[in-house]
Amino acid sequence: EAQVTQNPRYLITVTGKKLTVTCSQNMNHEYMSWYRQDPGLGLRQIYYSMNVEVTDKGDVPEGYKVSRKEKRNFPLILESPSPNQTSLYFCASSQPGLARHEQYFGPGTRLTVT
Amino acid sequence: SQKIEQNSEALNIQEGKTATLTCNYTNYSPAYLQWYRQDPGRGPVFLLLIRENEKEKRKERLKVTFDTTLKQSLFHITASQPADSATYLCALVRSNDYKLSFGAGTTVTVRA
Repeated sequence: EAQVTQNPRYLITVTGKKLTVTCSQNMNHEYMSWYRQDPGLGLRQIYYSMNVEVTDKGDVPEGYKVSRKEKRNFPLILESPSPNQTSLYFCASSQPGLARHEQYFGPGTRLTVT
Repeated sequence: SQKIEQNSEALNIQEGKTATLTCNYTNYSPAYLQWYRQDPGRGPVFLLLIRENEKEKRKERLKVTFDTTLKQSLFHITASQPADSATYLCALVRSNDYKLSFGAGTTVTVRA
């Protein structure tokens, strides 16, 4: 089944404790991205990657890191989480070369930083 | 700065009626525009895409229009059903790097 998986689905952590949210896709997509979703603000892009070893900042990259060492994986790293990073996070993948570039989203990771 | 705005108010409609959602943008030249549906606690699901040189697209009970002069897209759900209740997001795709930007979404509730 074609899918994007994220882990963990729920995470409660404390300020400053480094964490990684994993994202994996099995569709051989070149494009992957991370979004955060907050009430009233919609989906905001954190980082995106056009291909392996190619990453670019989205609209809200501060406080986040990503890496793209393999085509299928795109982990999101919070080196020193802060309470303002409490949010719902989505990973997505797509194939830009195709006609639609439709995003396939993962199930989301709800992060709480206390 | 670039801005994408959707209906700020939630939409409540009677079953069988047509829901019309708007997506307006400024300072943007999208290659195309997408619409997604999002149910509570879940990731968005792609519905339709319309390109800058297209005026209208249809898929079953859904219709999308795109006016690049007005910088606006309209999304219509005809013969609405309670199962159509969800939040609908528009997204603009930039042509040079495929970067997507989403609107905040409009929540639609269809009453039986």
